[in-house]
Amino acid sequence: EAQVTQNPRYLITVTGKKLTVTCSQNMNHEYMSWYRQDPGLGLRQIYYSMNVEVTDKGDVPEGYKVSRKEKRNFPLILESPSPNQTSLYFCASSQLSVPPTSGEETQYFGPGTRLLVL
Amino acid sequence: GESVGLHLPTLSVQEGDNSIINCAYSNSASDYFIWYKQESGKGPQFIIDIRSNMDKRQGQRVTVLLNKTVKHLSLQIAATQPGDSAVYFCAETYNFNKFYFGSGTKLNVKP
Repeated sequence: EAQVTQNPRYLITVTGKKLTVTCSQNMNHEYMSWYRQDPGLGLRQIYYSMNVEVTDKGDVPEGYKVSRKEKRNFPLILESPSPNQTSLYFCASSQLSVPPTSGEETQYFGPGTRLLVL
Repeated sequence: GESVGLHLPTLSVQEGDNSIINCAYSNSASDYFIWYKQESGKGPQFIIDIRSNMDKRQGQRVTVLLNKTVKHLSLQIAATQPGDSAVYFCAETYNFNKFYFGSGTKLNVKP
């Protein structure tokens, strides 16, 4: 089954304690991305990656790091979490084609990771 | 940064009626647009997309309209069903790099 998995699904932590949220996809997709979702703000892109070892900042990258050492994995790292990073996080992956072909470049989203930073 | 917004944050419709959800985008260079549906407790799910060289695209019960002149996107759902109740997001991108999402419209379908 094609899917994007995230772990953990729920996490409560304290300010300053480094954490990593893992993301893995089994569809051999080139494009992967992290988003955070906050009430009234929709989804905002944190980082994205167009292939192995290629990452770039999204709209809200401050306080986050990512790495793309393998095609299937795209972990999100919070080196020193702060309360304003309390949010719902989604990982997504997609086949990549420029220009996009309708119907094929849909981003598959993971189930989400709910993070609370105290 | 970019802004992708919605005119109606909440929409209530009667089962069987047609629904129209609107979205305004700000980047005239955006070349690809997607509508997503998000049910409670789940990640967004692709509904339909459209490239900037098209004005209209139809799927099963859904139609997306793109008006590049006024930078407006709409999602039409025909014969709305209770299972359509969810939050709907539009998203835009240029050259499949960054994605910008709207803040979402909640669709309530009354039986």
